[in-house]
Amino acid sequence: AQSVAQPEDQVNVAEGNPLTVKCTYSVSGNPYLFWYVQYPNRGLQFLLKYITGDNLVKGSYGFEAEFNKSQTSFHLKKPSALVSDSALYFCAVRATNAGNNRKLIWGLGTSLAVNP
Amino acid sequence: GAGVSQSPSNKVTEKGKDVELRCDPISGHTALYWYRQSLGQGLEFLIYFQGNSAPDKSGLPSDRFSAERTGGSVSTLTIQRTQQEDSAVYLCASSLSHGREQFFGPGTRLTVL
Repeated sequence: AQSVAQPEDQVNVAEGNPLTVKCTYSVSGNPYLFWYVQYPNRGLQFLLKYITGDNLVKGSYGFEAEFNKSQTSFHLKKPSALVSDSALYFCAVRATNAGNNRKLIWGLGTSLAVNP
Repeated sequence: GAGVSQSPSNKVTEKGKDVELRCDPISGHTALYWYRQSLGQGLEFLIYFQGNSAPDKSGLPSDRFSAERTGGSVSTLTIQRTQQEDSAVYLCASSLSHGREQFFGPGTRLTVL
């Protein structure tokens, strides 16, 4: 069965430090991978995606994520965290060979708190 | 262009009443999704529509929940005989096609008293 895991419910990091929000997945075939962010009292926003090509994907607000096929991971990273990055982050995956079953499978979310 | 819009933004209702939630997707997006998000929780998939295909209703929690998408655009999620456990934020998203990145509306916060 397809699944996505975000092993950390919460990540705390000091402003200016690098941040990592982890995501691992299990799908048959090659995955499409997505990161979304939900700021307090706001809707979900698309951050970045991996479809094919370069394993390092750059997205909005200085975020990037690295696709690691051997470790089935797609961790979200940022070199220098900002207080304004504090939000709820969701990882999602879709199998590319699932025929008509192309729903996104969502992780449960990781709450990122960046401390000044 | 406008993003995904949802109405109402907030809805308070009494247990047992029916409610209708509306979603207006981004123009040209053929796929439309409904999710539910309870306080501090992840996304719970409810239903999606893709073009003229039969919708995938596999996430609807009970037969009290139904959704329509008229003319391939606006969608309405209906909850009949609401229960307190239906209280949540209901999110709508659309995408150019099924499986592509989704763009979310601001949600409707439903409170069932």
